[in-house]
Amino acid sequence: QKEVEQNSGPLSVPEGAIASLNCTYSDRGSQSFFWYRQYSGKSPELIMSIYSNGDKEDGRFTAQLNKASQYVSLLIRDSQPSDSATYLCAVNMGSNYQLIWGAGTKLIIKP
Amino acid sequence: DGGITQSPKYLFRKEGQNVTLSCEQNLNHDAMYWYRQDPGQGLRLIYYSQIVNDFQKGDIAEGYSVSREKKESFPLTVTSAQKNPTAFYLCASTKDRTDTQYFGPGTRLTVL
Repeated sequence: QKEVEQNSGPLSVPEGAIASLNCTYSDRGSQSFFWYRQYSGKSPELIMSIYSNGDKEDGRFTAQLNKASQYVSLLIRDSQPSDSATYLCAVNMGSNYQLIWGAGTKLIIKP
Repeated sequence: DGGITQSPKYLFRKEGQNVTLSCEQNLNHDAMYWYRQDPGQGLRLIYYSQIVNDFQKGDIAEGYSVSREKKESFPLTVTSAQKNPTAFYLCASTKDRTDTQYFGPGTRLTVL
């Protein structure tokens, strides 16, 4: 069974602090990893994609991938109230076009 | 501007009706997807299509049907066989299987 797991939260973080979101996946052969942000009532939008082990930084966001431990994380530095949303982790686990989605972590940034 | 459009934004269905949700993309993407999202839940795959005139069932295809006659278009029909269709429906597309999926704005379907 191919699975992606996330803590559903809510995760509450003070404004200006670092928010850390985690995701584990079941297939060691997974190739592509994505973090999406979804505001209530809206469609998901891509935050970060990562394909190789290590860190990838884009502004206040850093994605971290550890294939040996089968987890991927997203760090948000200097958290802002506008970062309050649900964050979805998605993984491409095989040779087809399907992504396996986690259920999402709800993040709340408190002013 | 390139992107994915979905229509309508809101749709109301009476019991026993079939309804069709539209999805169009001008990104020249080969693959297109339909997802269903229930409140507080993640995305569940209904159908996907890698090329024109070909599509595969996802995890929850029962009660739904699709067609892919043109590269740009991937309409979803919610049939009367789908007993609990009230949900948020999302269409997505991607250029390559390892590439990012881009989403349309979604259609919110409510059964009256």
